[in-house]
Amino acid sequence: DTGVSQDPRHKITKRGQNVTFRCDPISEHNRLYWYRQTLGQGPEFLTYFQNEAQLEKSRLLSDRFSAERPKGSFSTLEIQRTEQGDSAMYLCASSHKEQGGNTEAFFGQGTRLTVV
Amino acid sequence: GDSVTQMEGPVTLSEEAFLTINCTYTATGYPSLFWYVQYPGEGLQLLLKATKADDKGSNKGFEATYRKETTSFHLEKGSVQVSDSAVYFCASYTGRRALTFGSGTRLQVQP
Repeated sequence: DTGVSQDPRHKITKRGQNVTFRCDPISEHNRLYWYRQTLGQGPEFLTYFQNEAQLEKSRLLSDRFSAERPKGSFSTLEIQRTEQGDSAMYLCASSHKEQGGNTEAFFGQGTRLTVV
Repeated sequence: GDSVTQMEGPVTLSEEAFLTINCTYTATGYPSLFWYVQYPGEGLQLLLKATKADDKGSNKGFEATYRKETTSFHLEKGSVQVSDSAVYFCASYTGRRALTFGSGTRLQVQP
């Protein structure tokens, strides 16, 4: 396993366009997280899944954002009608939650979105 | 809600200097605490962690001790190298949702 992979690594889009990012977690991990990181800030939680169920969404996740994890494996994050304020690094992480606790979260390299 | 506060950077040191990056947290209950490192152009990597009070996490010469009485988890290294130049993030996890990160501290080590 090569770890958490994200695609694309970079995306430049015009304001108002829709974009979709993909995250492939570590294969045996049942939890998958999405974070957003802007310049000079730490990652901010957006949403997370346990298997295919989306368990929580942050208030940061406006109705233009939607995330799915249809088969409990890879996940997609879609942003509709992008705005310049959406420009950020979008990070995906995965971990394994079991009865005894949660493993550490492993992060992908992120997708850098620039809205022009 | 949970929060993590860490010292602002950049921190600029000469090679072989002693490093301290301060981190304090507020949380409901007793969180696990982490330091993540982000090298230029790379993703976040776990550097070290501690899961209960008085635990000391260590890795690659870095150490941090979980201090419940001061709600702190300061990162230290006795002798930094140029290759340690990166952004360091302190984070907490209470098991309820996801990691809560500080804003990051950029470390620049000069030869």
